[in-house]
Amino acid sequence: DIVMTQTPLSLSVTPGQPASISCKSSQSLLHTDGKTYLHWYLQQPGQSPQLLIHEVSNRLSGVPDRFSGSGSGTDFTLKISRVEAEDVGIYYCMQTRQLPLTFGGGTRVEI
Amino acid sequence: QVPLVQSGAEVKKPGSSLKVSCKASGGTFKSLTITWVRQAPGQGLEWVGGVIPVFNIPVYAQKFQGRVSITTDESTSTVYMEWSSLRSGDTGIYYCAIRDGYNFHAFPVWGQGTMVAVSS
Repeated sequence: DIVMTQTPLSLSVTPGQPASISCKSSQSLLHTDGKTYLHWYLQQPGQSPQLLIHEVSNRLSGVPDRFSGSGSGTDFTLKISRVEAEDVGIYYCMQTRQLPLTFGGGTRVEI
Repeated sequence: QVPLVQSGAEVKKPGSSLKVSCKASGGTFKSLTITWVRQAPGQGLEWVGGVIPVFNIPVYAQKFQGRVSITTDESTSTVYMEWSSLRSGDTGIYYCAIRDGYNFHAFPVWGQGTMVAVSS
């Protein structure tokens, strides 16, 4: 199984300041089709997870452009350029390079 | 996007059986891939398994293989997850999620979750 490791476990951020979350995989997430199957989800308090970014850097329609994803191979980063109050929750990275699908342990972001 | 509606919360005793559902509204059920994810109390997200209805061959994480069974009913656009004998360790919130296409990649649409509590 591909192990996903997120850091930090938690992050306290001042509104308007940037935030960055790291996600590392135990194997490369680059598929033979040329795509890298690393995605980011946000679970706001009491809510279902919501997809923010797919395939490393593609924001889902409606996701604010303050969210950006980058990385390749086994190292990935989610950045929030200016954190807003609504961004609180737990962020998860997830790989779909191979089954079983696996998630990182999550990073709690609080204001 | 195809909305998903999951069945309501369940409180069950160990050893009992349970079937929870996830209904997709609108869209074409056969064009979807459906997955289930568990969140144990106070824990992160864990992939349980999933199914591509057009092929109707469920796949499971090894941890859940033999513990749960995923089935589909195309006539009602519903996916089910079933336990024959619940254990306390099955307690958690179970989310279904879907994507268009026949692969297990990013899932943009999630159900509201079904809380399953197993306690004597």
